[in-house]
Amino acid sequence: AQTVTQSQPEMSVQEAETVTLSCTYDTSESDYYLFWYKQPPSRQMILVIRQEAYKQQNATENRFSVNFQKAAKSFSLKISDSQLGDAAMYFCAYTSMNRDDKIIFGKGTRLHILP
Amino acid sequence: DVKVTQSSRYLVKRTGEKVFLECVQDMDHENMFWYRQDPGLGLRLIYFSYDVKMKEKGDIPEGYSVSREKKERFSLILESASTNQTSMYLCASSLNSHYEQYFGPGTRLTVT
Repeated sequence: AQTVTQSQPEMSVQEAETVTLSCTYDTSESDYYLFWYKQPPSRQMILVIRQEAYKQQNATENRFSVNFQKAAKSFSLKISDSQLGDAAMYFCAYTSMNRDDKIIFGKGTRLHILP
Repeated sequence: DVKVTQSSRYLVKRTGEKVFLECVQDMDHENMFWYRQDPGLGLRLIYFSYDVKMKEKGDIPEGYSVSREKKERFSLILESASTNQTSMYLCASSLNSHYEQYFGPGTRLTVT
């Protein structure tokens, strides 16, 4: 069965600095998607970034980028120039292209931004 | 913009009551999901549905049932609420598994 592991329950970063959130996953499949979701305090969960496994190029969205290492089954999220609004719970997620439609989420990393 | 709404933000129910949590999406999405979110446990999938009148068990279906009579609406039912069902419940929808899931604001349910 597929699993997603986020080894850092909480992290802190100084405003304007860069932080990297770790995620590893386990799968025997070759075609899949990976996601990072953000859940700000008392607000709805939203998608931050998506990566297709068949693409070697790492996805980027403004200050957010990923380091996708397929062989190592690693999918870390880098946030550059951290802002107070980045404070949130971040979830890494996996879904297979070839199976049923559910997404498997990690347990989350709570990110604190220090002013 | 996709909008996923849930019937209540906060709900307090008594043990043994039947509880209905409603979720509506306005983007004609095929797939809909119910999760519960607990500290330290992340999101756990309760049920999902990939078509009207279709449902699939997730990882923790015990004590819950669902209904999807219309494409836009997915209901979660607690037949007899228990205190261990006190949690945050999140509904989500997606076009298919290749695309993002859009989440509702959540319902914080307290069972006393």
